[in-house]
Amino acid sequence: EAQVTQNPRYLITVTGKKLTVTCSQNMNHEYMSWYRQDPGLGLRQIYYSMNVEVTDKGDVPEGYKVSRKEKRNFPLILESPSPNQTSLYFCASSFTGTETQYFGPGTRLLVL
Amino acid sequence: KNQVEQSPQSLIILEGKNCTLQCNYTVSPFSNLRWYKQDTGRGPVSLTIMTFSENTKSNGRYTATLDADTKQSSLHITASQLSDSASYICVVSPGSPTDKLIFGTGTRLQVFP
Repeated sequence: EAQVTQNPRYLITVTGKKLTVTCSQNMNHEYMSWYRQDPGLGLRQIYYSMNVEVTDKGDVPEGYKVSRKEKRNFPLILESPSPNQTSLYFCASSFTGTETQYFGPGTRLLVL
Repeated sequence: KNQVEQSPQSLIILEGKNCTLQCNYTVSPFSNLRWYKQDTGRGPVSLTIMTFSENTKSNGRYTATLDADTKQSSLHITASQLSDSASYICVVSPGSPTDKLIFGTGTRLQVFP
């Protein structure tokens, strides 16, 4: 089944404790992206990747890192999480950045 | 500034009724416009995608229209069902793959029996 998977789905952590949210797609998509969604603000892009080893900042990259060592995986890293990073995170992929994106199920993060 | 504005912010309708959601954008240049449906707590799912040369596209009971001259799009839902309760997000893609997508903040639709 074609899909985007994210892990974990729910995460509670404390300020400053490094964490990684994994994202994987099985559709051989070149484009992958991370978003955060907050009430009243809609989806905001954090980082995106046009292909392996190619990443670029979205609208709200501060406090986040990404890597794209393989086509199928695009992990999101929070080196030192803060409470303002409490949010719902979505990973998405598509063949190119202009085509329909397929979204993962979301990761709900709470930073205390 | 590239922007996408959706209206209304929220909408309540009775099951079986029709409704229309609006999306106005100021993105230029323009590549395509997409409508997504997002159920609560889940990832958005694509409903339609239209390029500037297309002015209507349907997906079951969902029909999207696009007027590239006035930079307006609408999503019409026919004979609404309880399962249509969700947020509907309009997303505009600028001219090149390296340009960032512009997201609307969505319309939250609630369908009551």
